Amino acid sequence: DTAVSQTPKYLVTQMGNDKSIKCEQNLGHDTMYWYKQDSKKFLKIMFSYNNKELIINETVPNRFSPKSPDKAHLNLHINSLELGDSAVYFCASSQGTGGLTYEQYFGPGTRLTVT
Amino acid sequence: DQQVKQNSPSLSVQEGRISILNCDYTNSMFDYFLWYKKYPAEGPTFLISISSIKDKNEDGRFTVFLNKSAKHLSLHIVPSQPGDSAVYFCAARSTTSGTYKYIFGTGTRLKVLA
Repeated sequence: DTAVSQTPKYLVTQMGNDKSIKCEQNLGHDTMYWYKQDSKKFLKIMFSYNNKELIINETVPNRFSPKSPDKAHLNLHINSLELGDSAVYFCASSQGTGGLTYEQYFGPGTRLTVT
Repeated sequence: DQQVKQNSPSLSVQEGRISILNCDYTNSMFDYFLWYKKYPAEGPTFLISISSIKDKNEDGRFTVFLNKSAKHLSLHIVPSQPGDSAVYFCAARSTTSGTYKYIFGTGTRLKVLA
């Protein structure tokens, strides 16, 4: 009965590879997010989707491509992985876009290590 | 450009005493502030929030204080319990052209000693 789930939990890969992280929420929320927590512990927004439509796209390299096949899923595909992509990636969801309802529910995170 | 700062990376407190976690911000246009709690190997979970039009919000053992003139907020936990040991993130909401975005601090690791 996990609210926001991510797979895989750990991902170790080599530079130059392409990988995907999947996220699913069963809360009925209409907005989903990807955050990146780097080695300095900053938790930064990368993307936000509302009803499958991209509403936030921070200055993220275009090697990162989010895909939302439906409201309950937001996947993150990363091409040509670089050492600097090593981080913990958190998926989150909320009811609404953060205006009237601001609480976000986070997944457990995916620790990506690029070697 | 670190708009939300948590200058204390860690804090240790005895069980039963008060824990005070601090957060400073630079953008006076932030209109909502939140605290999240994070256990190891889990995602952050929402704890408490405060609107910029208020200076205090209380929920059980948790109270958040906002000092707008100082651009400072704090989270008080009274009494502290060992189960409160976690990393606490403060976050602030910014609004640009109707789009809401949340800016997080780097977290403070709280350790409550039994």
